[in-house]
Amino acid sequence: DAGVTQSPTHLIKTRGQQVTLRCSPKSGHDTVSWYQQALGQGPQFIFQYYEEEERQRGNFPDRFSGHQFPNYSSELNVNALLLGDSALYLCASNLGQGGEQYFGPGTRLTVT
Amino acid sequence: DQQVKQNSPSLSVQEGRISILNCDYTNSMFDYFLWYKKYPAEGPTFLISISSIKDKNEDGRFTVFLNKSAKHLSLHIVPSQPGDSAVYFCAASRGGSYIPTFGRGTSLIVHP
Repeated sequence: DAGVTQSPTHLIKTRGQQVTLRCSPKSGHDTVSWYQQALGQGPQFIFQYYEEEERQRGNFPDRFSGHQFPNYSSELNVNALLLGDSALYLCASNLGQGGEQYFGPGTRLTVT
Repeated sequence: DQQVKQNSPSLSVQEGRISILNCDYTNSMFDYFLWYKKYPAEGPTFLISISSIKDKNEDGRFTVFLNKSAKHLSLHIVPSQPGDSAVYFCAASRGGSYIPTFGRGTSLIVHP
């Protein structure tokens, strides 16, 4: 039973560029959430996708956008990258809009 | 504004002894509390939770205590084992949201 998978593992981008991160949920899960974990901080909620729609959103600017596909996988897009966007980006999945979240290993994004 | 606070960045304990990790919260609307454990290069994994209608929940070596009047919860690990060495995140959510707000984490080191 595959858990949550994320790609790529690491990524280096230049300020002002755009980036796309990918997530496949745990088998049987239909809801995907994205979190940003800066160094020395806990994960901060970006948004959640359910039934291919953004259902909840945290306090992140519109530069952060996402998408969920019919197979429940998801993408996180960040435009106009800033140095402060450097962080570990975590994807979590669960069944329905509640329930225990299972996290992937994350994508480490470095913006130079 | 940190709604969930873990004021101890690190904790060092001898194998076999008790580990006590503390967490405070400020938002009185939180009614569900969770602890996650995170190893390097892995995503957080759910450890134990407690609803606000309870003051204690136990699962094997792990016990979570909730003091609603003090807005404080703690995780007890007895006996501590070297494999427990990880970063522990306290998180809280409010009814209907299911999106946890995380603290900054406490790094637990259990010495053999």
